[in-house]
Amino acid sequence: GQNIDQPTEMTATEGAIVQINCTYQTSGFNGLFWYQQHAGEAPTFLSYNVLDGLEEKGRFSSFLSRSKGYSYLLLKELQMKDSASYLCAVMDSNYQLIWGAGTKLIIKP
Amino acid sequence: GAVVSQHPSRVICKSGTSVKIECRSLDFQATTMFWYRQFPKQSLMLMATSNEGSKATYEQGVEKDKFLINHASLTLSTLTVTSAHPEDSSFYICSARFGTGDSYEQYFGPGTRLTVT
Repeated sequence: GQNIDQPTEMTATEGAIVQINCTYQTSGFNGLFWYQQHAGEAPTFLSYNVLDGLEEKGRFSSFLSRSKGYSYLLLKELQMKDSASYLCAVMDSNYQLIWGAGTKLIIKP
Repeated sequence: GAVVSQHPSRVICKSGTSVKIECRSLDFQATTMFWYRQFPKQSLMLMATSNEGSKATYEQGVEKDKFLINHASLTLSTLTVTSAHPEDSSFYICSARFGTGDSYEQYFGPGTRLTVT
């Protein structure tokens, strides 16, 4: 079966760095997405990785290792507004997104 | 990024009535639109995938006669929850996709919170 695993909840301090991991087992791979979702709102796109390596975009970076079925989202200089759920999703061979359950990130002052 | 709108954002209806939710891609033509349902603290559950002008493909366990999807144009898809019951209360989110090269990024609507009383 297809499976996406990510931690349920993480806590970090304002100004610090946090890494949210995601491991996956899917039928085929056409890219991995990270989305941010604030409570009661729809997800917003953060990053897309289809090749191995690190993609940096401002305070957020995303890493992919296809051979290990592994990705992480790195958030630097954390701000209170970064408190949200972070969803990892993999696009399978049918170009459909398989979603993880999300990681709730709590930022403390 | 591209913009997807949903209407209404919130709706409360009585049990047994039908509710229509609209999803529009405002500045691009969506080759494919998706309808998701999200229960509290759970991942998004794909309900159906629709391509313009063709019938929607429903995921296993989703009743096609209860959740009617119409994808009339490249910018509009509608989801109608027929004969709604309290267990249909949920957050319904649509997304739209256009394929450009190697990226099949999906853009999400803001979601519609449905409460059935």
